[in-house]
Amino acid sequence: EPEVTQTPSHQVTQMGQEVILRCVPISNHLYFYWYRQILGQKVEFLVSFYNNEISEKSEIFDDQFSVERPDGSNFTLKIRSTKLEDSAMYFCASSGRIGNEKLFFGSGTQLSVL
Amino acid sequence: GDSVTQMEGPVTLSEEAFLTINCTYTATGYPSLFWYVQYPGEGLQLLLKATKADDKGSNKGFEATYRKETTSFHLEKGSVQVSDSAVYFCALTGSNFGNEKLTFGTGTRLTIIP
Repeated sequence: EPEVTQTPSHQVTQMGQEVILRCVPISNHLYFYWYRQILGQKVEFLVSFYNNEISEKSEIFDDQFSVERPDGSNFTLKIRSTKLEDSAMYFCASSGRIGNEKLFFGSGTQLSVL
Repeated sequence: GDSVTQMEGPVTLSEEAFLTINCTYTATGYPSLFWYVQYPGEGLQLLLKATKADDKGSNKGFEATYRKETTSFHLEKGSVQVSDSAVYFCALTGSNFGNEKLTFGTGTRLTIIP
């Protein structure tokens, strides 16, 4: 079965540093998402992306966050200046079409900000 | 806003025991309801879903029925196996067409002992 691939699986960074989390969605999918889960808390929606632009974002997704699809295969989440509270598991997901369609998730990147 | 409340874990059961993981939701209109599962080292996978009241989703011996009167979507399995050990997430998407954002619960870690 096709899968969403995320790299790295673990990322450790210093507070204030920039990080880029990488995702390779399923090749024929058009809708891309980032979610995160802080330890012990709910999985939270960050942003959705379609047709090379953000279609929806949560209040968590402030100016420190950005997403990009730099080529036909990668989908990245950048945090410009990391904070301690950004430490979480970040999940990328993709789907083939909109409207309650099944989302395919990657295995996540565990980000630790020290 | 929309929210999902699910049974806190961890849950530990013996093999062949009956499983129930409770999930209730708050949402306007008629959301679609989902159970996702995360096996160790893997991404979130859709386990089952139901899109309207009284629908029953089922997969791999798991079942959940969309109960609008009690705003619930409890996950059940009659006889669990060691391979069912994972984290289970209840989730919903909004009732508006095109609203693909998932709202998750906190997840319930299930461990099955041989």
